Amino acid sequence: ETGVTQTPRHLVMGMTNKKSLKCEQHLGHNAMYWYKQSAKKPLELMFVYSLEERVENNSVPSRFSPECPNSSHLFLHLHTLQPEDSALYLCASSQEGGGPNYGYTFGSGTRLTVV
Amino acid sequence: GDSVTQMEGPVTLSEEAFLTINCTYTATGYPSLFWYVQYPGEGLQLLLKATKADDKGSNKGFEATYRKETTSFHLEKGSVQVSDSAVYFCALSLDSNYQLIWGAGTKLIIKP
Repeated sequence: ETGVTQTPRHLVMGMTNKKSLKCEQHLGHNAMYWYKQSAKKPLELMFVYSLEERVENNSVPSRFSPECPNSSHLFLHLHTLQPEDSALYLCASSQEGGGPNYGYTFGSGTRLTVV
Repeated sequence: GDSVTQMEGPVTLSEEAFLTINCTYTATGYPSLFWYVQYPGEGLQLLLKATKADDKGSNKGFEATYRKETTSFHLEKGSVQVSDSAVYFCALSLDSNYQLIWGAGTKLIIKP
């Protein structure tokens, strides 16, 4: 158990479906992140929330919609996805103000397949 | 722009062999450097880090030295085990509190 829990672990969805990914941490961190991991590509930072406010949105298509209702929970709402969106979606957290130099704690990821 | 380049994998070694995974970077400032490891079916874990030139990060028998003159942060281990089989990511951060620049990852396979 890494301290960051992601559900579901695996998700298969059609292009017309709507689904949500969930991330939960109880480490006392107050910055949370969504990353996309595709085969043979560097990790792509999608969204950053610090103190429950979105502070970065790296040109992510609007079919991905994040939500951070409190400092312990982060969601990624998905709708009308494309097959190229199939990937491993990783959630991470860190202590705000510490950031990368103090290391991120990652969840195990959600393996998403769009059919 | 800032970037991280890792050697392509997979790297296949026998148990107890010496490991080197190369990582070089391009950065405009003075980055901090990291190695993360991803075991099968898991998320990434911070393995080690170095925040300034000539620093050596070490953990679990792995070590890497921040070489500013060669802009490198190569990962080494003297004697690998089957349990070290994983994907290893090199990354750097600059002034941003949030942004890490990642390498593409190197898959390591250790055979008994």
